Amino acid sequence: QQQVKQSPQSLIVQKGGISIINCAYENTAFDYFPWYQQFPGKGPALLIAIRPDVSEKKEGRFTISFNKSAKQFSLHIMDSQPGDSATYFCAASGKTDSWGKLQFGAGTQVVVTP
Amino acid sequence: NAGVTQTPKFRVLKTGQSMTLLCAQDMNHEYMYWYRQDPGMGLRLIHYSVGEGTTAKGEVPDGYNVSRLKKQNFLLGLESAAPSQTSVYFCASSNRVSGYTFGSGTRLTVV
Repeated sequence: QQQVKQSPQSLIVQKGGISIINCAYENTAFDYFPWYQQFPGKGPALLIAIRPDVSEKKEGRFTISFNKSAKQFSLHIMDSQPGDSATYFCAASGKTDSWGKLQFGAGTQVVVTP
Repeated sequence: NAGVTQTPKFRVLKTGQSMTLLCAQDMNHEYMYWYRQDPGMGLRLIHYSVGEGTTAKGEVPDGYNVSRLKKQNFLLGLESAAPSQTSVYFCASSNRVSGYTFGSGTRLTVV
C-alpha cells in the first residue's frame, strides 16, 4: 500500500486562485518531504522541500505547510498561473533510508484556467 | 547539459520479447533508481542502486532485472515482456545532499 496518501487526484483552479494539495503519511521515521512538479512528456522536477523542524517553507508562490502531530503536509500555490498546470507529487523519505529512498504519493493533476 | 539521460524514449514490444533500458548520469551521483509511472499509481520503485556494482529490489521488482557495472550507468532489463509492463519508466539519480534528478522517461508499450 502507498505510504504517502495524496489528495485530491485532480483540481481545476482559475488564474489568480489558490491551489491546495494535501498529503498524509504514517511512518514517523520520515524526515524529508519534497514536492515534485511534472509537465506532460517530462520527468518530475524538484519544486520545494521541507524537513520537520519547521512548520512552513515558502519559495516564491509555492508554500509547504507541515503538521508533524497530524502527520500531514500540503502544498499551496498562490496566484496560480496557466503555466502551473502540471501534475504534482508529494514524497517522503526517512532516517532509516540514509540514501534517500523516496515514497511518492499518487499525484495531483492541476489545471489552471485563464 | 548535466543530468540524467534515458534511452530509448519510446518502444513497442511484443509479448515475450526482451529489451534493455539505459540510464546515464553525469553528476557523479552515488544513488540511482528505476521507477515506473502508471495513471493513479504515482511513481513506484522497481530497483535501485546505492553504488557501482550494487543493486537492490524496490516495491515492484518482479519481471525486471538491473545492473550497475559503471557508476554513471544503470540498466533496466525486461527478460520476457508482458502487457502489464506497459508503462512510463523513469530513471533518477541522487546523492546525500541533493534531491532526485529524473530523466525524461521511456514510454514502453507491450502488445
